[in-house]
Amino acid sequence: AQSVSQHNHHVILSEAASLELGCNYSYGGTVNLFWYVQYPGQHLQLLLKYFSGDPLVKGIKGFEAEFIKSKFSFNLRKPSVQWSDTAEYFCAVKGGLGTDKLIFGTGTRLQVFP
Amino acid sequence: DAGVIQSPRHEVTEMGQEVTLRCKPISGHDYLFWYRQTMMRGLELLIYFNNNVPIDDSGMPEDRFSAKMPNASFSTLKIQPSEPRDSAVYFCASSDRGELFFGEGSRLTVL
Repeated sequence: AQSVSQHNHHVILSEAASLELGCNYSYGGTVNLFWYVQYPGQHLQLLLKYFSGDPLVKGIKGFEAEFIKSKFSFNLRKPSVQWSDTAEYFCAVKGGLGTDKLIFGTGTRLQVFP
Repeated sequence: DAGVIQSPRHEVTEMGQEVTLRCKPISGHDYLFWYRQTMMRGLELLIYFNNNVPIDDSGMPEDRFSAKMPNASFSTLKIQPSEPRDSAVYFCASSDRGELFFGEGSRLTVL
């Protein structure tokens, strides 16, 4: 069964700092990968997704992620964070024959200070 | 489209009471998922449906939990009897094989 690991549980940054959040998954077959964001008190919203093609995926609000198949990784990046990026970020994977389950990592809480 | 609609947004109940959470997926989506979010366990997939049929309920914690999808536009998650450890935010999400679209969630507090 697939699983997702997010190694950073809590990240604190100042505005304009660069961000990279790690995500590793366990499944070795074809996967679909996602990053979702949850702003305080709100529901999850899609930041970006990877299904196939260019492994560098650009999402909303200046976020991007790179799929590195050899490392089973899908790290999220943003060159310059803003206070409004304060939220929880979830990596998710869908993969395997006969399943449409989307499995989420435990999330990374990002706090950005002005 | 109005998005995924969940009700109630907040529910406070006493231990032993029955709780019913409701979800209306996005029209045309043939997948519906129920997730539970807690601080301790994060986002857990409880059950998902495809074309109104339950496909995988391995995440349902125990027999006190049940879910139904009588038609393509409505699903319920029922807890009977409820216990304090069921306190969580319950999210419903729908998809058409691509990304999941989440509802606003139902925050359940069991006293």
